[in-house]
Amino acid sequence: RKEVEQDPGPFNVPEGATVAFNCTYSNSASQSFFWYRQDCRKEPKLLMSVYSSGNEDGRFTAQLNRASQYISLLIRDSKLSDSATYLCVVNSRGSTLGRLYFGRGTQLTVWP
Amino acid sequence: DTAVSQTPKYLVTQMGNDKSIKCEQNLGHDTMYWYKQDSKKFLKIMFSYNNKELIINETVPNRFSPKSPDKAHLNLHINSLELGDSAVYFCASANKWGGADGADTQYFGPGTRLTVL
Repeated sequence: RKEVEQDPGPFNVPEGATVAFNCTYSNSASQSFFWYRQDCRKEPKLLMSVYSSGNEDGRFTAQLNRASQYISLLIRDSKLSDSATYLCVVNSRGSTLGRLYFGRGTQLTVWP
Repeated sequence: DTAVSQTPKYLVTQMGNDKSIKCEQNLGHDTMYWYKQDSKKFLKIMFSYNNKELIINETVPNRFSPKSPDKAHLNLHINSLELGDSAVYFCASANKWGGADGADTQYFGPGTRLTVL
């Protein structure tokens, strides 16, 4: 079983739509959770960290459910510029604390 | 100001050749990484160094040898290149390996697109 599983999509939504991505992780001892964004032919960049109580950054809301080992990302009022691949990322614990495991990514296309 | 830089950006070479990719970060970070992203876009860690010490060495052929001359640099040398080595290689850095709050954010370089013919 992979450390991080994501629905690869693609998700094709019109501008202004609300879209949600989900992700599950296998290591219950994981401690840090992130969403990264990767544009076509570019490097991954941090979109937001995910905190236990859930957190919001403008149009983006991240949720964490530790009991179900499930992470979500909600994008409201989608913009054309949101088109990208969204990577769910978790760390491991213990001696490999700094190691991050990346999901395969969910591709989003926002159309006008 | 480029935070994490890699050279070259593109590398096209013949099978059997030896090549190097260089990475530098000017963020003052302690930890650096090499990742490989294959054609299916799956990002996999290869190596990690913390303060010039090797911490992660994934199941990578020993044709791949990282070298960290100092905290700000992590280079990747590849011997006897094979077709399957074609991929995008990303360097990344993080402030520290990890602490009480878990893993730090990683900052990625622009990637080196390696094509082996």
